[in-house]
Amino acid sequence: AQSVTQPDIHITVSEGASLELRCNYSYGATPYLFWYVQSPGQGLQLLLKYFSGDTLVQGIKGFEAEFKRSQSSFNLRKPSVHWSDAAEYFCAVGAPGGFKTIFGAGTRLFVKA
Amino acid sequence: GAVVSQHPSWVICKSGTSVKIECRSLDFQATTMFWYRQFPKQSLMLMATSNEGSKATYEQGVEKDKFLINHASLTLSTLTVTSAHPEDSSFYICSAPLAGVAEETQYFGPGTRLLVL
Repeated sequence: AQSVTQPDIHITVSEGASLELRCNYSYGATPYLFWYVQSPGQGLQLLLKYFSGDTLVQGIKGFEAEFKRSQSSFNLRKPSVHWSDAAEYFCAVGAPGGFKTIFGAGTRLFVKA
Repeated sequence: GAVVSQHPSWVICKSGTSVKIECRSLDFQATTMFWYRQFPKQSLMLMATSNEGSKATYEQGVEKDKFLINHASLTLSTLTVTSAHPEDSSFYICSAPLAGVAEETQYFGPGTRLLVL
């Protein structure tokens, strides 16, 4: 069965510092992988996605993620965090042809001045 | 880009009443839509898959008679919470995949916050 693990419930980083949010997945083949961001009381916004090809994926707002098959990971990174990046981040996995998306538990990012 | 809307954005109702939430794909057709619920500070849990012209497929543990789903057209799916109780209070989010393209991407609605008193 598909599953997604985000080991960090919350992370605090200083503004301007680098960020890495961890995500591990379980799936029999190469899944579709996503990172979403959710601001308080809001819907989801897609940051980036990986389907195939280059394992380093660039997204919006300066985010990137790297797919590592050997580690079953899809960690999200940003070189310099801004205060507006404070939000909840969800890693998600989808099965090719199936559309259904399974979400991780989420990581709440706090940004301190 | 593709847009999915939800109506209402928030609703307060009395215990025992029914509430209908609409999910619309505004500029594309969706034969399939998904309904999620999210409790405070928790992740999204898939409730059911809404299929146009046929019955919805519910995830394990989701009561079919409690959460009625109707996918009446290629752009509209509705979720009706019947005989709502306080424990049904949650954030409900729908999504629709943009089918027919090589890469499957879900477009999420902004969510509907339900509070049952």
